[in-house]
Amino acid sequence: GAGVSQSPSNKVTEKGKDVELRCDPISGHTALYWYRQSLGQGLEFLIYFQGNSAPDKSGLPSDRFSAERTGGSVSTLTIQRTQQEDSAVYLCASSPGPLTSYEQYFGPGTRLTVT
Amino acid sequence: AQSVTQLGSHVSVSEGALVLLRCNYSSSVPPYLFWYVQYPNQGLQLLLKYTSAATLVKGINGFEAEFKKSETSFHLTKPSAHMSDAAEYFCAVSDQAGGGNKLTFGTGTQLKVEL
Repeated sequence: GAGVSQSPSNKVTEKGKDVELRCDPISGHTALYWYRQSLGQGLEFLIYFQGNSAPDKSGLPSDRFSAERTGGSVSTLTIQRTQQEDSAVYLCASSPGPLTSYEQYFGPGTRLTVT
Repeated sequence: AQSVTQLGSHVSVSEGALVLLRCNYSSSVPPYLFWYVQYPNQGLQLLLKYTSAATLVKGINGFEAEFKKSETSFHLTKPSAHMSDAAEYFCAVSDQAGGGNKLTFGTGTQLKVEL
């Protein structure tokens, strides 16, 4: 079946511009996670959605970062006024539910380059 | 707060030799531990996980890991390396304190397999 998909696969933007990154989770998965992978910081948790509950935003690095999940499915991560330190690979993962017993399935990521 | 330390950012082995990738964790509660593999330009794939059942966990592709509470370790091993094992490997610990299954990752170990 289809896995987690992310778009675009690559995004180059100028400093100060806004960007939107999209994640399509596996159908039926209620939990969705965003992570960031960068040279300086490694892999970091950003935000977590579970069903219709309020998202866990504890990993968002600044108020320039936001995310939403519409209809419990597709999610969009938005970065406003991008900075060079935002350059990273943004990974999305989904799982059937929030429990540790459920595997997180990762998408291929979106490579963001801020020039 | 939970954390993971992976000793050795780069490990090189000969084909057919033992693979040993080290992971130590810090956790205030009984941990759930994971090993993921990442091939170039791909997302992360789960190799295996420890969720408080058997301390010796077997995963895909011939990998296994042993949970040792006294040593706070969860090292990944494979008896005989194959060229296809060349990839980056991440150890992770689950943080379920706030609900969900947010993962805290180590900095990764790049495995090189030589003829």
